[in-house]
Amino acid sequence: KAGVTQTPRYLIKTRGQQVTLSCSPISGHRSVSWYQQTPGQGLQFLFEYFSETQRNKGNFPGRFSGRQFSNSRSEMNVSTLELGDSALYLCASSSKGLAGPSSTDTQYFGPGTRLTVL
Amino acid sequence: LAKTTQPISMDSYEGQEVNITCSHNNIATNDYITWYQQFPSQGPRFIIQGYKTKVTNEVASLFIPADRKSSTLSLPRVSLSDTAVYYCLVGDIGYGGATNKLIFGTGTLLAVQP
Repeated sequence: KAGVTQTPRYLIKTRGQQVTLSCSPISGHRSVSWYQQTPGQGLQFLFEYFSETQRNKGNFPGRFSGRQFSNSRSEMNVSTLELGDSALYLCASSSKGLAGPSSTDTQYFGPGTRLTVL
Repeated sequence: LAKTTQPISMDSYEGQEVNITCSHNNIATNDYITWYQQFPSQGPRFIIQGYKTKVTNEVASLFIPADRKSSTLSLPRVSLSDTAVYYCLVGDIGYGGATNKLIFGTGTLLAVQP
């Protein structure tokens, strides 16, 4: 089974621009979560989507948004980029929420998208 | 979600067994304990998960005492490639609509030397 994939792997933007990152979960997984990782703040939860609905949200400003499509693929958007948005953005998927014993809390992470804001 | 406390860093040598202990005094009844490994500029990789007593897989063992207020990740015979950050997390594994929000602490940087 293919793992979680994220595109693009690297991205350079300038302040004020916006960016869209993409994540394809493991086949069959319907839960997709996004995390931001910086040297100063570590790994922080952004939001989680399940069946095209945002189920939980972290403490990030409204410039950070996301969505999930019917095939469970997810996108994350950051508008009006700031220098502090430079980070590794990670996507994770899990089978949690599926009926029966196949549901598990284990999240599998993608390789991440390295965003640099100049 | 229960907060976890781990050592900031640990040093070891190739071939040794490494034990990383994590404290989670406020763990809830429904919480499971999960460990992830992360290499620089890569996503965390799932290592092992458990609820109580001992869990073993091909990579590691997880020891959880009866009170579940701590857990120990054991890596047998580490190699240079085991140098990474190891995160301990606790959270609810329940079925259905509960959140998948994971709270990562600072992790433990394990440095394996030749």
